[in-house]
Amino acid sequence: EDQVTQSPEALRLQEGESSSLNCSYTVSGLRGLFWYRQDPGKGPEFLFTLYSAGEEKEKERLKATLTKKESFLHITAPKPEDSATYLCAVQIGPASYGKLTFGQGTILTVHP
Amino acid sequence: SQTIHQWPATLVQPVGSPLSLECTVEGTSNPNLYWYRQAAGRGLQLLFYSVGIGQISSEVPQNLSASRPQDRQFILSSKKLLLSDSGFYLCAWTPPGGFSPLHFGNGTRLTVT
Repeated sequence: EDQVTQSPEALRLQEGESSSLNCSYTVSGLRGLFWYRQDPGKGPEFLFTLYSAGEEKEKERLKATLTKKESFLHITAPKPEDSATYLCAVQIGPASYGKLTFGQGTILTVHP
Repeated sequence: SQTIHQWPATLVQPVGSPLSLECTVEGTSNPNLYWYRQAAGRGLQLLFYSVGIGQISSEVPQNLSASRPQDRQFILSSKKLLLSDSGFYLCAWTPPGGFSPLHFGNGTRLTVT
């Protein structure tokens, strides 16, 4: 069975304290891995797509990396506004529709 | 640019009542449309997807149904709500064909009492 597991479930950081979130997956035929940010009461906001092992993407203080079994979302010098739930998802179905398998998410809290 | 609208934002309904949630997309033609549900403590679960008018695929057997009466309109319905239908319902879209990330609306918080 295809699975996506995120860790930790919750992470508390001080402003400026860098860290990483993990997304491990056991799927066959990975087409892509996605990272989303979700604020309370809002829909997920797309951050990155990673297609193959070794690929990296960056956006402001965030950097996503991908290996054959997991992805990391590195947060450098986080600010309170980075507080949110971060979701990863994998696509394994045909490219014509977005059937994504999501992880449970990591709740990130950054204290000033 | 493309935008997606969902309404209502919150809804409280008694058990056994009907449900209709609506989603519309602007700024694109023939999008693929999706309904996801996010239950407390669980990840997002795909409920329905549609690649065209009148074309609906169901991913999970349940008390819900979906319809796509127009190209950019997607409706989630139920004839009789159950307590277990409570959750956060999200509509999403992708461009037709190809491989593209989902773009979500802001969701509807449904509480069945």
